[in-house]
Amino acid sequence: DAGITQSPRHKVTETGTPVTLRCHQTENHRYMYWYRQDPGHGLRLIHYSYGVKDTDKGEVSDGYSVSRSKTEDFLLTLESATSSQTSVYFCAIRQGVNTDTQYFGPGTRLTVL
Amino acid sequence: EDQVTQSPEALRLQEGESSSLNCSYTVSGLRGLFWYRQDPGKGPEFLFTLYSAGEEKEKERLKATLTKKESFLHITAPKPEDSATYLCAVQTNDYKLSFGAGTTVTVRA
Repeated sequence: DAGITQSPRHKVTETGTPVTLRCHQTENHRYMYWYRQDPGHGLRLIHYSYGVKDTDKGEVSDGYSVSRSKTEDFLLTLESATSSQTSVYFCAIRQGVNTDTQYFGPGTRLTVL
Repeated sequence: EDQVTQSPEALRLQEGESSSLNCSYTVSGLRGLFWYRQDPGKGPEFLFTLYSAGEEKEKERLKATLTKKESFLHITAPKPEDSATYLCAVQTNDYKLSFGAGTTVTVRA
């Protein structure tokens, strides 16, 4: 258990509405990641953060934005949700510069109708 | 582009029936290869990291091995509690992970 919580754990929303998912960690880890997991695709990186206010894009970042205003919280926002963003979203942390293992949170299942 | 391919997609085993899962990869600048276990409705759980060809790591009934082009996860005498999806991921020098689609293992008692 890497001290990661995600909220909400489940959400159903309508197409076109904004959605924000929260990842919270309690152990002061520097690196945080957002992935989505879809059948047949495995986990794909959306955005990541390497410090407060320091973020960068992953391979599937279109339609998503992130913010990290404090170490413990990394927010993923879908500005205008689409049905193609129906997925399971996982947050992960990596402890520091010279560590390589990512540890994952429990996930958020998002359904966009 | 980094590619990770896992096979088979699904594996059904009888309790005690040993088998192997394959993870083949093409990547520029491999830093490490990771294996995770994922139970339904949960996040991936870290199992192993392998860094160089010839390296092996073991945990209970699981053993992971690495060559220059692929990794194997051997499950010896599996039990029903070994049923899960096993994910393979390669890490490049920027510490990013690229995942395969996973192998779902079902072990029947």
